[in-house]
Amino acid sequence: SQQGEEDPQALSIQEGENATMNCSYKTSINNLQWYRQNSGRGLVHLILIRSNEREKHSGRLRVTLDTSKKSSSLLITASRAADTASYFCATGDGATNKLIFGTGTLLAVQP
Amino acid sequence: KAGVTQTPRYLIKTRGQQVTLSCSPISGHRSVSWYQQTPGQGLQFLFEYFSETQRNKGNFPGRFSGRQFSNSRSEMNVSTLELGDSALYLCASSLGGTGGSYEQYFGPGTRLTVT
Repeated sequence: SQQGEEDPQALSIQEGENATMNCSYKTSINNLQWYRQNSGRGLVHLILIRSNEREKHSGRLRVTLDTSKKSSSLLITASRAADTASYFCATGDGATNKLIFGTGTLLAVQP
Repeated sequence: KAGVTQTPRYLIKTRGQQVTLSCSPISGHRSVSWYQQTPGQGLQFLFEYFSETQRNKGNFPGRFSGRQFSNSRSEMNVSTLELGDSALYLCASSLGGTGGSYEQYFGPGTRLTVT
């Protein structure tokens, strides 16, 4: 079963705009990770945030984590057509490498 | 370093047959996890192997099994295939360990179609 849901399910924006995706989860976590998947291919790791962190940046990516609300958000700034992909959040328990994935957000960036 | 490789990339099987998928992790990675991705159920965890031992298992029937070799390469086997087993099977490798948080590196997947 999946840990939680992502919102929105699909998002269409213009190049240069910012994209925000939200993820909710159900249980206690050790870490939360975001992955990108292009057209049914393998997933690419984007960023990992630990449960004791509130915000993390990596290039054009900004991730926030609110453990009291069991939610996280991924912000992609100045989006590009190449950012078109599905984005998944995944939670880890820290004891093993098992990840529980969310339902994903399909992002389309129009040139 | 070479990435995670999975073979074969595409596979078509008939109901009732069995199939073996292979995954070669990144050199030095000791943990290999397997996931099933379908449009209906999304990404579902199958199992994780660490140093040749199954460390965690998802909620899949016993028809799904796996193993890991001493060089960290892993195989998963599905016996008595059903139509619902049609999916993209993804392998991920990681440095592993315990009590930590590790990013995972995914292979391109094996697309299995059961007819």
